[in-house]
Amino acid sequence: DQQVKQNSPSLSVQEGRISILNCDYTNSMFDYFLWYKKYPAEGPTFLISISSIKDKNEDGRFTVFLNKSAKHLSLHIVPSQPGDSAVYFCAASYTTSGTYKYIFGTGTRLKVLA
Amino acid sequence: DTGVSQDPRHKITKRGQNVTFRCDPISEHNRLYWYRQTLGQGPEFLTYFQNEAQLEKSRLLSDRFSAERPKGSFSTLEIQRTEQGDSAMYLCASTSGTQETQYFGPGTRLLVL
Repeated sequence: DQQVKQNSPSLSVQEGRISILNCDYTNSMFDYFLWYKKYPAEGPTFLISISSIKDKNEDGRFTVFLNKSAKHLSLHIVPSQPGDSAVYFCAASYTTSGTYKYIFGTGTRLKVLA
Repeated sequence: DTGVSQDPRHKITKRGQNVTFRCDPISEHNRLYWYRQTLGQGPEFLTYFQNEAQLEKSRLLSDRFSAERPKGSFSTLEIQRTEQGDSAMYLCASTSGTQETQYFGPGTRLLVL
């Protein structure tokens, strides 16, 4: 049961344009969402997060949008740069019995073309 | 650098051997997680510690796997009698009790021949 889904395994975008990465979730208990960037042979690097009480969070070129009713979040990168080429993972978190649980999507490989 | 560190970064072993990986979390973080990642997948939860207490283990963690965090600081993950299916990237992440953002280490890539 894939509770966090990234339905696009890959995305190619021209340098300078907007990259939009999407993520859908099924569990209403999720209350915190994160995006990570991963280069080959490295661990995921935290990019940006959003609490379920918000619908938007912005940090420089990165903006995350959350639509709770649709159980959908997206990461916008503007403008896209070649160095943004990596695999992006969406993660969702909730708390149960004092334990914080994190569920990850399968990732979207972004390629930014120069 | 005070990020999460993992050792070794790479491990090649023969089937049936035991391996042990170490994770040093960010010093003030009391929560530590182990994940496994295979090609084309996101990180899959293995186990979770709050301080020295192991609070949850995934069904993925067979009885050949054991993890410890003896003093609530660094953690070890041991795999006994390794199998080729254990080949994966093993990731460690930590977070504090006051925030929900996890920070990952660089991972240990295991190859079982």
